[in-house]
Amino acid sequence: DQQVKQNSPSLSVQEGRISILNCDYTNSMFDYFLWYKKYPAEGPTFLISISSIKDKNEDGRFTVFLNKSAKHLSLHIVPSQPGDSAVYFCAASATGNQFYFGTGTSLTVIP
Amino acid sequence: EAQVTQNPRYLITVTGKKLTVTCSQNMNHEYMSWYRQDPGLGLRQIYYSMNVEVTDKGDVPEGYKVSRKEKRNFPLILESPSPNQTSLYFCASSLYLGNTEAFFGQGTRLTVV
Repeated sequence: DQQVKQNSPSLSVQEGRISILNCDYTNSMFDYFLWYKKYPAEGPTFLISISSIKDKNEDGRFTVFLNKSAKHLSLHIVPSQPGDSAVYFCAASATGNQFYFGTGTSLTVIP
Repeated sequence: EAQVTQNPRYLITVTGKKLTVTCSQNMNHEYMSWYRQDPGLGLRQIYYSMNVEVTDKGDVPEGYKVSRKEKRNFPLILESPSPNQTSLYFCASSLYLGNTEAFFGQGTRLTVV
């Protein structure tokens, strides 16, 4: 049973526009969420995180939004750049427990 | 440079031939884990280790073994590989289990024929 879901396998966006990647979760005990970015032939690398006590966290061009009532989080990339083309995984955990990962969204930023 | 190192990067083997994928981290992290990535299934945890000599099963442990004799190393052992273990494997480490980021190795592409 997939506790973290990314329903869009792929997304294409024009360079300079906003990219919005979505993630839904089912476990109400999850209190920490992360986004990872993965390039081909490399391991995932940490991008940004958010605790359940917040509803927004921003780091440069990347912003993560958390809607606890809807059990939904999203990653906004503004402006999108060709180098952002990668697979993005969201992950969630309950304190002191393992992380559960989504299936990933492949983002393509078109120059 | 802080890193997680996996070896080998690519491996083709035959059914039943025991193999070991090594994983080493240089960040003195307590928590280490193994994942497999399959199309449409994302990253699924195989085994994890909270510290030396402390290991436990993740979501898909069948057919795998691990050991944690030293803090820096966490090898993944396939005693009798089968074709359904063909996958992309990642080792990861973090300072502790909880609200902290994980560092991943570059991955091992395993094919069992």
